[in-house]
Order: sequence, then structure tokens, then C-alpha cells
Amino acid sequence: QVQLVQSGPEVKMPGSSVKVSCKTSGDNFNTYTMSWVRQAPGQGLEWMGNIIPMLETPDYAQKFQDRVTITADESTTTVYMELSSLRFDDTAVYYCARIIGQSFDHWGQGTLVSVSS
Amino acid sequence: SYELTQPPSVSVAPGKTASITCGGNNIGSRRVQWYQQKPGQAPVSVVYDNSDRSSGIPERFSGSNSGNTATLTITRVEAGDEADYHCQVWDSSSDHWVFGGGTRLTVL
Repeated sequence: QVQLVQSGPEVKMPGSSVKVSCKTSGDNFNTYTMSWVRQAPGQGLEWMGNIIPMLETPDYAQKFQDRVTITADESTTTVYMELSSLRFDDTAVYYCARIIGQSFDHWGQGTLVSVSS
Repeated sequence: SYELTQPPSVSVAPGKTASITCGGNNIGSRRVQWYQQKPGQAPVSVVYDNSDRSSGIPERFSGSNSGNTATLTITRVEAGDEADYHCQVWDSSSDHWVFGGGTRLTVL
């Protein structure tokens, strides 16, 4: 049974960075595409980027290209998303999700990142 | 970049049929996914590859896709179906994933 368990909520100052983790369980961690999606308050879902742990080469949405880093640790079957130069409008719930085919078939519980001075 | 358009809200009486649309340029040539999201919860996959139901999803949920519109149809709507519904495709030209803005389904 696949489970994605994310790290807890964060409160950050503008200009700082945040790193969110997503611990996965289940088979074939290395071969699946793992993705990060965020949702600002009252807004829709926004794809940020992907990584296939076996390939270690991430792919980022153009909007976040300069500020996001997605990594994977095969030894702990954990993926990470680090967002730098935080702004107030980065306040959102950040989700990790597994992609099968073209579908996000399993999601983490979400991590609230609040940017506040 | 490819864009998906959803109505912000749809209302339906219990026991009736709800249709939630997702518009995009020639979306019929793409594979569309639908997600249900209840307040304070993560999204859950309900339909993938246009019309396949995800595991555990009732037969009341179905999907279709043709031309410039994909549709999620929910028959015999129940109070528990009240949620936000998001459509999603993969954009091959950019190799990126795209979501619609989401539709709030209200059960009257």
C-alpha cells in the first residue's frame, strides 16, 4: 500500500527558504515520478516540478525554475522540495504526489507553509 | 502554455446529475484526469485517462472527453459528493502538468 507522509507545518520569514519532505512507502520508489503541487488559500492546484529518483534529474515549472530544488534520497525513499527567496504569496499548502501514467494517483497529506514577518 | 478552464461553481439537488466541464484547445486529443478535494483534505483521484474510474470510486462517477471539452458526470448526487473538482492534463509541448482552476460542487 502506497503512503506519502509529509513533514509538518512551517512559518518562515520573507526572503528565507523552506524545505519540505515527503516520506514514501511501497515498492519501486526509484522508478516512479514524484511531483510537488501547491495550493494557495482559496485557489486551485499548481504544479511545481517532478523528479524520478532513479534518474535524479528534476523538471521544474518555468514559474519556479529559479527558486525551487527537488531532490530524492533513495536510501530513505524520501523526496524533498526546497523553495528559496520566499514571498508572502508563497503561503500555501504544498503537496507531494506520485504520478502513474499521466495521473497523480497518490497524494501526501499536505504541508502548510506560511510566510509572515 | 496550455490552459484549462473550469466553471467556478456548479449546484445540483440531491439525487440529480451534475456535469462539471473542463475546456481546453482540442482537449479531446489529450488524456484528462479528475480529482475530488474536500475541505482541509488532499485531492483524491476519481477519473484518469478520460473515463477510467480510480480504485474505490463509485460507478456514479464517469468521465468523457471530446473536441474542446472534457466532462465529469456524477449521477444520483449525494451530500457527500460536495467538494472541489479539478481537471488535469499533461502538456506534451512543454512536458509539464497543467491543472484547471477547480469547480466547487454544491449539493443543494
